[in-house]
Amino acid sequence: TQLLEQSPQFLSIQEGENLTVYCNSSSVFSSLQWYRQEPGEGPVLLVTVVTGGEVKKLKRLTFQFGDARKDSSLHITAAQPGDTGLYLCAGVGAGGTSYGKLTFGQGTILTVHP
Amino acid sequence: GAGVSQSPSNKVTEKGKDVELRCDPISGHTALYWYRQRLGQGLEFLIYFQGNSAPDKSGLPSDRFSAERTGESVSTLTIQRTQQEDSAVYLCASSLWYTDEQFFGPGTRLTVL
Repeated sequence: TQLLEQSPQFLSIQEGENLTVYCNSSSVFSSLQWYRQEPGEGPVLLVTVVTGGEVKKLKRLTFQFGDARKDSSLHITAAQPGDTGLYLCAGVGAGGTSYGKLTFGQGTILTVHP
Repeated sequence: GAGVSQSPSNKVTEKGKDVELRCDPISGHTALYWYRQRLGQGLEFLIYFQGNSAPDKSGLPSDRFSAERTGESVSTLTIQRTQQEDSAVYLCASSLWYTDEQFFGPGTRLTVL
């Protein structure tokens, strides 16, 4: 069974601050996805990182995939209240019975105060 | 085009009753997935359909849970003899093919009293 540990579970910050969310596993994933989920809605895909060491930027969000494809981070610069939500990482299984299967982290509830 | 839809959006039931949750995937999507999300938590995989067959049922928590899919269309998740620990949001997702990007519905919030 593949596990993905996401931290921190809760993050409450002021507008303008920077933050980083981490996802760590002992398993290798073929790729890793980051989602954002608003209350009452399903998760929406933000980005997929595929190559070990890959860095992707989406405006103020920077996503990084570890060299060994076991971990990932999401960094938000100058957070805004509109960034508030649940952020989820999900690893895509690399082979065997886990091939293609999404394993989700526990999620990070981010609250950005004006 | 229309996204993934789920019904009902909310369901309150009494312990021991059976419930049916419905998912309408995006038209043309061959793969369909069911997940369970407890309050403030990540998603727990339940079952995956390719067409109307279920190659992976490994996430179903017990034999009280079952699911079926009609062709490459609607899917129903049935929970028999509901228990309080079944209370959660049940999310459905679909993708064009297995391993493609999954698009999620808004979920059904199930509360078992």
